[in-house]
Amino acid sequence: GQQLNQSPQSMFIQEGEDVSMNCTSSSIFNTWLWYKQDPGEGPVLLIALYKAGELTSNGRLTAQFGITRKDSFLNISASIPSDVGIYFCAGLDNGGATNKLIFGTGTLLAVQP
Amino acid sequence: DGGITQSPKYLFRKEGQNVTLSCEQNLNHDAMYWYRQDPGQGLRLIYYSQIVNDFQKGDIAEGYSVSREKKESFPLTVTSAQKNPTAFYLCASSVPGLTLFFGPGTRLTVL
Repeated sequence: GQQLNQSPQSMFIQEGEDVSMNCTSSSIFNTWLWYKQDPGEGPVLLIALYKAGELTSNGRLTAQFGITRKDSFLNISASIPSDVGIYFCAGLDNGGATNKLIFGTGTLLAVQP
Repeated sequence: DGGITQSPKYLFRKEGQNVTLSCEQNLNHDAMYWYRQDPGQGLRLIYYSQIVNDFQKGDIAEGYSVSREKKESFPLTVTSAQKNPTAFYLCASSVPGLTLFFGPGTRLTVL
């Protein structure tokens, strides 16, 4: 099945540092979503983006929907230990009769206190 | 509180046995989904249902079956035909075309 290219695959940073991760696709999406997954839990929605060029913030998190509709990035400012987890981007493929989320491969974030 | 529940959290089965994973939602969502997650990988779609009594295969449906007799419930059966069933299984629901909300997951281990 189709998957998005998400990078980096993993990041090991010090508490207080800023973090940036991104997703690219060969397909156009109408919606981009960013989820965070804690170990052994289901993903939790962080930010949803519905319009090309849209820049949305949620606390220390900022995400943008690329102008080409083929990419998105997520920034985390001033990281803290509880930011640890796996971050997934997802593009909503709502062409035709189906509405399917296509997921990135994930970015593992480790934050050292 | 509205949400999605999956049970059990951990499940152990012997090879060759069928097993059914439960997923219930009280969000009044029409669409429900099952994903499989393996270590270090993204989520792969097994089956999805956009309305009661209707469901479609996802990208990796072989060895799995589902039913959607009620809006609130979308159980997944992992059959003995599934070659490598040990994985973390995630159920999700949504209003079609909008964001997915995930349950807490069931970790299935086949011994």
